[in-house]
This record gives sequence, C-alpha cells and structure tokens, in this order.
Amino acid sequence: GQNIDQPTEMTATEGAIVQINCTYQTSGFNGLFWYQQHAGEAPTFLSYNVLDGLEEKGRFSSFLSRSKGYSYLLLKELQMKDSASYLCAVHSGGGADGLTFGKGTHLIIQP
Amino acid sequence: GAVVSQHPSWVICKSGTSVKIECRSLDFQATTMFWYRQFPKQSLMLMATSNEGSKATYEQGVEKDKFLINHASLTLSTLTVTSAHPEDSSFYICSAGLAGGRETQYFGPGTRLLVL
Repeated sequence: GQNIDQPTEMTATEGAIVQINCTYQTSGFNGLFWYQQHAGEAPTFLSYNVLDGLEEKGRFSSFLSRSKGYSYLLLKELQMKDSASYLCAVHSGGGADGLTFGKGTHLIIQP
Repeated sequence: GAVVSQHPSWVICKSGTSVKIECRSLDFQATTMFWYRQFPKQSLMLMATSNEGSKATYEQGVEKDKFLINHASLTLSTLTVTSAHPEDSSFYICSAGLAGGRETQYFGPGTRLLVL
C-alpha cells in the first residue's frame, strides 16, 4: 500500500525557520512534490525532488533521501502569509499516474 | 507556468441531480488529467486518471458509473457527478501535467460542490 506521513500541525514565529518532515512508503517512486494549500483553495506547487539532495528555491528548500523514504520542506524568513497547509505528495506510478498525498501539515505563523 | 481552469467554482444542487465540472488546460495540451476529491480537513484523494481519447482509470473504491469522466480533447476533461447525494459534497480538483504526469502537476482552482 501507499503511506505518507507528516505532522498534523506545527507552529512557528514570524521571521524564523521551520522544517516540515515527510516520510513515505510507496510501491514505487518517481518523484516527491511539496504543495502549499490555503484554506478553501487548490494546492499550489512549491517543489519537486526526484534525486537525493537539496533543492533550493528562494525562501523554500526541499530535501530528499530515497534510501530513507524521507523528505523535508524548509521555510526560511517566515511571513504571516506562509500560514497554510503544506502537502507532501509522491508520484509512485510507472506511467502517467496521479499523486498520492499525505494528510498535510497545518502551519501556524505567530507574530 | 501552466494554467488550469475549472468551471464552475461553486455549485449547489438538489439531491438526485447530476452536476458537470469542466477542467481545462489553458496554455498547454494535456493528454492526461487527474481528478481529486478533498473532504474538509482531509487530504486530496485521487479519484481517477482521465486519458484523452480513451476510458478513464478509476481508483479503487470510486464508482465509475457515478463519476463519469470524459476527456474529449487535449485541453478539456469533464467530471459528471450523477445522481448526487449529500455525501458527495466535497471539493473537487483537477490537475494536469506538462509531461504526462511525471513532472510537475498543476492544479485547477477547484470546484466546491454542495448537495442539499
């Protein structure tokens, strides 16, 4: 089966750094995505990792270790607008299969 | 980046009626589109994979006769919820990828369905 785990909720302070972890056990692996979702809206793409290592994109970075089935999303210089749910998703199919999502981590930014 | 639209964004209907949701890729061609459903405070669950010119592939537990999918062109997929019931009330989101789903998937804005 497919299993993706991430913390349900995290709280951080404006201007600080927060790391959201994701572990996965899937039947296959073709890449891992991180999406941001504000309440009532569709997810927006943040990052994609298919090889081990760190991908940096502005204030957001994502790390992948395929051998450990582990990824994290790192958010720096937190802003109030970063309060949202962060979804970890794995593309496990061999073809054009959809994504399997974790339940999401609700991030609360405090002043 | 790639743009995916959905219509309508909101729909309220009576129990027993059918509702059609459209998903369009506006600036690229998508041979494959995906339909997801999200209940409140839950994650997105893949319902089906929509393939242009062929039958959709449904995930386990999703009734293909209830959720009709038509991928009539490279830019349009439709999801019809037939004989809708209150338990079908949810947030329906489509997505499309630039390379058949192996790369980044771009999501539409979603359609919120409320069945009374």
